Amino acid sequence: KNEVEQSPQNLTAQEGEFITINCSYSVGISALHWLQQHPGGGIVSLFMLSSGKKKHGRLIATINIQEKHSSLHITASHPRDSAVYICAASRDSGGSNYKLTFGKGTLLTVNP
Amino acid sequence: GAGVSQSPRYKVAKRGQDVALRCDPISGHVSLFWYQQALGQGPEFLTYFQNEAQLDKSGLPSDRFFAERPEGSVSTLKIQRTQQEDSAVYLCASSLAHRNYGYTFGSGTRLTVV
Repeated sequence: KNEVEQSPQNLTAQEGEFITINCSYSVGISALHWLQQHPGGGIVSLFMLSSGKKKHGRLIATINIQEKHSSLHITASHPRDSAVYICAASRDSGGSNYKLTFGKGTLLTVNP
Repeated sequence: GAGVSQSPRYKVAKRGQDVALRCDPISGHVSLFWYQQALGQGPEFLTYFQNEAQLDKSGLPSDRFFAERPEGSVSTLKIQRTQQEDSAVYLCASSLAHRNYGYTFGSGTRLTVV
């Protein structure tokens, strides 16, 4: 079992829909990152959070430390949101807490 | 610079050829990371530098892989005698410090070994 699991693996939505991508992790973490990767492009950091909720524009990220679960929500989705969304954990493992452990990503396609 | 710059963006190498991938991190960022991303997979950790010191190279898949950051800024990932399984996107990221700071990723170098 991967230490960071994302669901769904693929998601297709219509423009305007509310989107949720889930991330579960099985290790102790110091922070949870949500990242965006466009096809052929680099990775953009969206959020880094260790508790509660963060919001940036139409994007909202939440984390429940007790349940070891995080969600990324996109409100009023748009075709330009189409990308791979990746959840990554900074492990809380003493000397190795700099490493990111990545999920496999969720490919989001938003159709007009 | 304003972001993390990687070069080249694309590299096609013949099997057995040596390659060098460059990463220019954000000025002043202490931490620098290399990750390998195979097609359809999430990135996997390769190595970590704090300034010029390579503190962790546990993710390097074989002794054909070598990374350096001699002056604590630009880093080079070298792969000797490339094999087909080395084909991947190589991502570089930098961070202001080593813990709980945001990461800035480069656009990656897509290496194809033919």
